[in-house]
Amino acid sequence: DAGVIQSPRHEVTEMGQEVTLRCKPISGHDYLFWYRQTMMRGLELLIYFNNNVPIDDSGMPEDRFSAKMPNASFSTLKIQPSEPRDSAVYFCASSLDRANQPQHFGDGTRLSIL
Amino acid sequence: GNSVTQMEGPVTLSEEAFLTINCTYTATGYPSLFWYVQYPGEGLQLLLKATKADDKGSNKGFEATYRKETTSFHLEKGSVQVSDSAVYFCALSDHRVYGGSEKLVFGKGTKLTVNP
Repeated sequence: DAGVIQSPRHEVTEMGQEVTLRCKPISGHDYLFWYRQTMMRGLELLIYFNNNVPIDDSGMPEDRFSAKMPNASFSTLKIQPSEPRDSAVYFCASSLDRANQPQHFGDGTRLSIL
Repeated sequence: GNSVTQMEGPVTLSEEAFLTINCTYTATGYPSLFWYVQYPGEGLQLLLKATKADDKGSNKGFEATYRKETTSFHLEKGSVQVSDSAVYFCALSDHRVYGGSEKLVFGKGTKLTVNP
C-alpha cells in the first residue's frame, strides 16, 4: 500500500520566495495533519483537516502560512513570503476517523530558507 | 490541557543493554497512548499503542504498559540492537465523545544511540 507521499523531499530557496509543500494522504483516510519539526521546538502541529475541512489552525505561526485541502487526495502548505526561521522539516500525516487509529507520516520535506 | 513528558535525552547504550524511556502524561478523559519511532531522514512510524488502562502494547521486542494510577507509559526493551538507534516519541490521543480520534499530543522525543 502506498503511504503518505510528500513532495518535494528537499527545498532550498531564498528568503522572500513563495514555498509550496505538497501532500497526498493515504486513500480513504479522513484526517490530514501538517507538522513542523525543528531542533529547538521539536514537533509542532500546524493545522489539521477532517474530510477536507480545516478543524484547527491554531498552530499556524502567522499569516505567512496557509494550508488548503481541495480534495480528499491532496493538500498544500504554502509559505509566502518565506523567512530563514521557517527552515525546518515539514511532515504530513493522515489517519482514519475511528477510535485509536494511529497517524501515518510521510517522509517529510526538508526546507532551507537562505 | 493534555500534555506528555518524556525523559530528556540523548540516551547512549551498548548493544544488548536494557532500555527504559520514561513517559508520563496529563489528560482529561480517557486517552489512548502511543510510542512512535523516527529513524534518520524518515517520518515517524507507529511502534506500539495501548488504548485503556493496564493494556500492554508490544512490537519488535519493545513493550509499554498503560498505567493509569501513575499516568505513565514507559517504553522498555530487554536487549537493544544497533538498528534501534532512533528518536522515540511518546504521544496521547484524547477521544472525542463519540470515540473518534483527533490530534495527537507528542512528547519532545528521546534520541537513542546504540553502540556495537
